[in-house]
Amino acid sequence: SQTIHQWPATLVQPVGSPLSLECTVEGTSNPNLYWYRQAAGRGLQLLFYSVGIGQISSEVPQNLSASRPQDRQFILSSKKLLLSDSGFYLCAWTATGRGKLFFGSGTQLSVL
Amino acid sequence: GIQVEQSPPDLILQEGANSTLRCNFSDSVNNLQWFHQNPWGQLINLFYIPSGTKQNGRLSATTVATERYSLLYISSSQTTDSGVYFCAVWPNFGNEKLTFGTGTRLTIIP
Repeated sequence: SQTIHQWPATLVQPVGSPLSLECTVEGTSNPNLYWYRQAAGRGLQLLFYSVGIGQISSEVPQNLSASRPQDRQFILSSKKLLLSDSGFYLCAWTATGRGKLFFGSGTQLSVL
Repeated sequence: GIQVEQSPPDLILQEGANSTLRCNFSDSVNNLQWFHQNPWGQLINLFYIPSGTKQNGRLSATTVATERYSLLYISSSQTTDSGVYFCAVWPNFGNEKLTFGTGTRLTIIP
């Protein structure tokens, strides 16, 4: 069966520090991968999605970037974090372009 | 882009009660999905339901695509049903992505 792993679960970082969040999917090939952010008590905002290795689409201009170095690995990065980058970050995947969406367990990021 | 509205925004019920959550969308969709976010933040896909009715235990969902709405029914509520319920739609046309509603926060009181 397919599983998605996301780490770390919580992260506290100072303003101006770098960020790297990693997500991996097991049990499937060539998934579509997504990064979402959720502010406290709010809905989900799509940040990036990828349909294949090295293919990244950005939905919102921001301080973050994403990379997909391997088929089932998706990384969210920042060179210098801002206070406004705080939030709950969720990785997700679908098997097909408009398929059933499955989420990882999320990373709670606090930038202080 | 497509608009997705959920109602009610908040719902507080006694354990054992039944509830109906609604999701309205403004354009034709390829599919609709319902999610439950528990108090610890985990999002679980409950239903993938482009049309018709599906049931899973105490939960069932109905999507009437021609009338642009979907309903999520929860029967005999339990405290573990608490959390936020999101619907999300994938528009039929264009390059739009999965669009989430703003959610219904359900609180089940013992």
